[in-house]
Amino acid sequence: NAGVMQNPRHLVRRRGQEARLRCSPMKGHSHVYWYRQLPEEGLKFMVYLQKENIIDESGMPKERFSAEFPKEGPSILRIQQVVRGDSAAYFCASSQQGGAFGANVLTFGAGSRLTVL
Amino acid sequence: AQSVTQLDSQVPVFEEAPVELRCNYSSSVSVYLFWYVQYPNQGLQLLLKYLSGSTLVKGINGFEAEFNKSQTSFHLRKPSVHISDTAEYFCAVPAGGAGSYQLTFGKGTKLSVIP
Repeated sequence: NAGVMQNPRHLVRRRGQEARLRCSPMKGHSHVYWYRQLPEEGLKFMVYLQKENIIDESGMPKERFSAEFPKEGPSILRIQQVVRGDSAAYFCASSQQGGAFGANVLTFGAGSRLTVL
Repeated sequence: AQSVTQLDSQVPVFEEAPVELRCNYSSSVSVYLFWYVQYPNQGLQLLLKYLSGSTLVKGINGFEAEFNKSQTSFHLRKPSVHISDTAEYFCAVPAGGAGSYQLTFGKGTKLSVIP
């Protein structure tokens, strides 16, 4: 069982470029969550997705950020026109169960660390 | 919204000594509580969880935590640490209460075990 796979592990972008972060959930998991960890901060919830549906995006910045989880393939977190403040570690997690309980018991990936120059 | 406070950002401890990592939560309603651990260059993994029932919760790798409603605390303990316990530990609570999708994490406590 490969666990939650995230890539790239490290990504460097210049201001104004686009960043795409990918997440493949654990086998058998159909619920995906993205969290962001800013320096010296705890993880902050961004978005919760199921296949082809965004369930809760209340933690996503209103502009430049989008997420998808297509029927086939990994979940993608996309950041357009990156700024220095987007530099952070982005963690993906998955769960087998949906709903509130399933959302609390998460398996996390190792994270993608974005650096914006 | 619910929140958690981890009182210590770094905790150094000698190998085989006991350790306590502190976590306080803000809530006046029923609550779930979690501890996650992040080893270097790895993702977070669930260490233990409190949902209901016994206030003493046992987790993996010999860790345990005690839910204390009167002190709104959920401190993590281990009687004898090992070098391999060096990691960052996060306390977490559902943001909107027990029925919430979202977890709110503390800022983390870095445990360094000294040989």
